[in-house]
Amino acid sequence: GQQVMQIPQYQHVQEGEDFTTYCNSSTTLSNIQWYKQRPGGHPVFLIQLVKSGEVKKQKRLTFQFGEAKKNSSLHITATQTTDVGTYFCAGSSGGGADGLTFGKGTHLIIQP
Amino acid sequence: GAGVSQSPSNKVTEKGKDVELRCDPISGHTALYWYRQSLGQGLEFLIYFQGNSAPDKSGLPSDRFSAERTGGSVSTLTIQRTQQEDSAVYLCASSPGLGAQYFGPGTRLLVL
Repeated sequence: GQQVMQIPQYQHVQEGEDFTTYCNSSTTLSNIQWYKQRPGGHPVFLIQLVKSGEVKKQKRLTFQFGEAKKNSSLHITATQTTDVGTYFCAGSSGGGADGLTFGKGTHLIIQP
Repeated sequence: GAGVSQSPSNKVTEKGKDVELRCDPISGHTALYWYRQSLGQGLEFLIYFQGNSAPDKSGLPSDRFSAERTGGSVSTLTIQRTQQEDSAVYLCASSPGLGAQYFGPGTRLLVL
């Protein structure tokens, strides 16, 4: 079955440093989504990427979808303490309205 | 309602007992998903509904797990003869059909 791998599992950064998490799928994806889960909270949708090579930005967050639609990355510039949480990628091989396969997430820990 | 709601928020039960978890999706969302998340871990897909039908039951861990959705709205996840390894947070999400999934706050299940 489809597998989505995410690295690193944990990332410690100093406040103000940049952060990147990477997502790789064993199969070609129709789309990839990114979610953020704050400690004690539930996953919250951030963005969906659909097109090969797509790049989207949300303030300090930059999301990329690989040309082969098998990998993706999330980059945060100049981290802030509010960025703390776990970032999950989730891939779909179908038309979108099916069960997503989530990566195990990257836990971002920020030291002030 | 404004978001996905789940009940109960917490459930403590004894091994061997049955439990029923409820999810109220966002009004009008046709797709509904159940996931399981163990402490500090990623999301494990359980089942997906499109309307009242469940085209993908592949994630249900055993025949002790079942789910139904009536009227294209509320869904219940039932776990029979609970085991200690069933302890986790059970998350429900709904989607208008494509794109983002909107998660509820989850039900924290503890099996003693």
